[in-house]
Parts: sequence; C-alpha cells; structure tokens
Amino acid sequence: GENVEQHPSTLSVQEGDSAVIKCTYSDSASNYFPWYKQELGKGPQLIIDIRSNVGEKKDQRIAVTLNKTAKHFSLHITETQPEDSAVYFCAASINFGNEKLTFGTGTRLTIIP
Amino acid sequence: DAGVTQSPTHLIKTRGQQVTLRCSPKSGHDTVSWYQQALGQGPQFIFQYYEEEERQRGNFPDRFSGHQFPNYSSELNVNALLLGDSALYLCASSWQGAVEKLFFGSGTQLSVL
Repeated sequence: GENVEQHPSTLSVQEGDSAVIKCTYSDSASNYFPWYKQELGKGPQLIIDIRSNVGEKKDQRIAVTLNKTAKHFSLHITETQPEDSAVYFCAASINFGNEKLTFGTGTRLTIIP
Repeated sequence: DAGVTQSPTHLIKTRGQQVTLRCSPKSGHDTVSWYQQALGQGPQFIFQYYEEEERQRGNFPDRFSGHQFPNYSSELNVNALLLGDSALYLCASSWQGAVEKLFFGSGTQLSVL
C-alpha cells in the first residue's frame, strides 16, 4: 500500500519568513495530494490540494509543488503569521473512485513573533 | 451551514467494553469516512460508507464496524476495546461530485483504561 513520509516533524520560523514542508510517497499510481492544517482540539482542515497533472498550485500565501518523477511534493507558506502555527499533514490518494487518504506523520509549525 | 458534527467529544471506557461514536455529515454530503488518529500521528483510514454500505476498508480488525443511515449520518462501533484503541476518532464527509475533498469533524477523543 501507499506510504507517505513527511519532514521535518517540527519547524520553527520567524514571523514573516517562509516555511517549507516536504513529503514523499511510494505508490506511483497516487494522483491526488492534499494538505491539511490541524489546530489544537480541531479536526484537519483542507488548505490546498494538487492533482498529478499539475506541477504547482498557489493560493495567496500558500503554494504546493509536485514532482511526479521523484514522487515528492512540498508545501510552501510565505510571509508567515502567528495564526499559521499548527500541525500540517500531507496526504496522498489514488483518486479513481478510491478516496482513501494516506497521511504523513505531520509537521508541527511554530511561528515565532 | 453546520459542518461535520461528532458526538460525544470525549469518552472514557475500560478494556473489553464496547463503544459507539456518531457523526453527522456536512449538509449536502453523502459519503462518510472514519479515521483513527493516535497521539502525534497522522489519521489512519478505518472505512468509508456510501449509500448505507461499507465501500472501502483500511487495515483494521473486525472489532471495528460501522453503519450509515438513510439521512447519511454514521456510527462507528468498536467492540472488545483494547488499550491501543485510545485515540482521536475523526469523521470526514464528502460528496460524490468531489469525493476526495474531505471535511473533518473535530473528533471524539476515546480513552481506554
């Protein structure tokens, strides 16, 4: 089955700087890669996603890049703000009627004011 | 518009007992998935329900079972509880037009003593 590895497990950045979180996946058939943000006491919230036919996607301060050849994808957050502090999860799935998501182990992002 | 709601928020059980967790999907959603999130880990897929049938299952024993009702709400049942079943149980809903876009509830924190 699919295996998703995520790095780093913890990340601290100064407010205003950029943060990058990286993930690799094992199943070349995976074609859908979402990123979730989980705040304390809440469930994961979808913040951005990308499909395998796209190399990059951006939504305001958040961007995701995908390298299918290397089987890795990354989350980029620019101009970080204190409210970006949370745990971030990457995930992968084979979206041909199969919606099971395989999650990474998470990255705890702390924004230092 | 109410999102995904889960009940109860917290639950304490002892080994060997049985537990039932409940989930109401987001309005307009017809598919419910259940995930188990151990402390410090990413969510792990348990199973998914659509049209009142289990459509897909992860690597969980038969002690884990579920049900979906005609109004799309769902229950997760766990029998013969083990200490290792202690975790946050997340319900996620989606709709067939965009099954991969999961909306998570805040979860039920289950503690097995």
